[in-house]
Amino acid sequence: GNSVTQMEGPVTLSEEAFLTINCTYTATGYPSLFWYVQYPGEGLQLLLKATKADDKGSNKGFEATYRKETTSFHLEKGSVQVSDSAVYFCALSLSGAGSYQLTFGKGTKLSVIP
Amino acid sequence: ETGVTQSPTHLIKTRGQQVTLRCSSQSGHNTVSWYQQALGQGPQFIFQYYREEENGRGNFPPRFSGLQFPNYSSELNVNALELDDSALYLCASSDPLAGGGETQYFGPGTRLLVL
Repeated sequence: GNSVTQMEGPVTLSEEAFLTINCTYTATGYPSLFWYVQYPGEGLQLLLKATKADDKGSNKGFEATYRKETTSFHLEKGSVQVSDSAVYFCALSLSGAGSYQLTFGKGTKLSVIP
Repeated sequence: ETGVTQSPTHLIKTRGQQVTLRCSSQSGHNTVSWYQQALGQGPQFIFQYYREEENGRGNFPPRFSGLQFPNYSSELNVNALELDDSALYLCASSDPLAGGGETQYFGPGTRLLVL
C-alpha cells in the first residue's frame, strides 16, 4: 500500500538555523507530494506541493524537491523563525477509483527558540 | 473567497451516542473529503464526496457515514460512538477542474471528545 515516513520529532532549532525535515514515500504509481503545516489548535494549511519528478515546490522560504530515484521529498528552509514553530506533515496523493486520497506521515513537530 | 468552514468547533459526547459534523466547502469546490486525526498522529482518510455521491472510502467502519448537499456542503455522521473516536475531524475541499483536484484545502476541524 501507500505510505509516508517522516523523521521523528520533536525538532528544536535556534532562530536563523537551517531546517531539514526528511520525508520518504512508498506508492504504487506516480503520486503528487505535499507538505502541510498545522499551527497549534488549527487545521492544516498547504505549504507547498510537487506533482512530478524533479519538480521543486516552494513557499514562504520553504522548499522541497520531488526525488523519484530516492522516493523522497525533504523539506528545507535556510533560516527558520520563531513563527515557523508548528507541526509539519508530508503527504502523497494518488487517484484511487476516481478519488484523490491524501496519505499522511505522522508529522514532525518543530520548535524554534529565539 | 471563502475558505472551508466547519461546525461545531468542539463537541463532547458519551459512548454509544451519535454525532453529526458539518462542513462548507471553499467557494467553487465541488469535492469534499473527511479525515480523522487522532492526537499526535497524521490525518487518516475517511471518505470523499463528489456531486453528492461517495467517491472513495478509507478503512473506516460503516458507522461512519456522510452526505453531500447540492450546494456542496457536507455532513459526517458517526453512530454508536466509541472512546477511540475521540479525535480532530478535518474536512477538505478540492476542485477537480483545477489540476485534477488533487490539491485539498482544509478547514479548522471539529474536536470530538467521547467520554
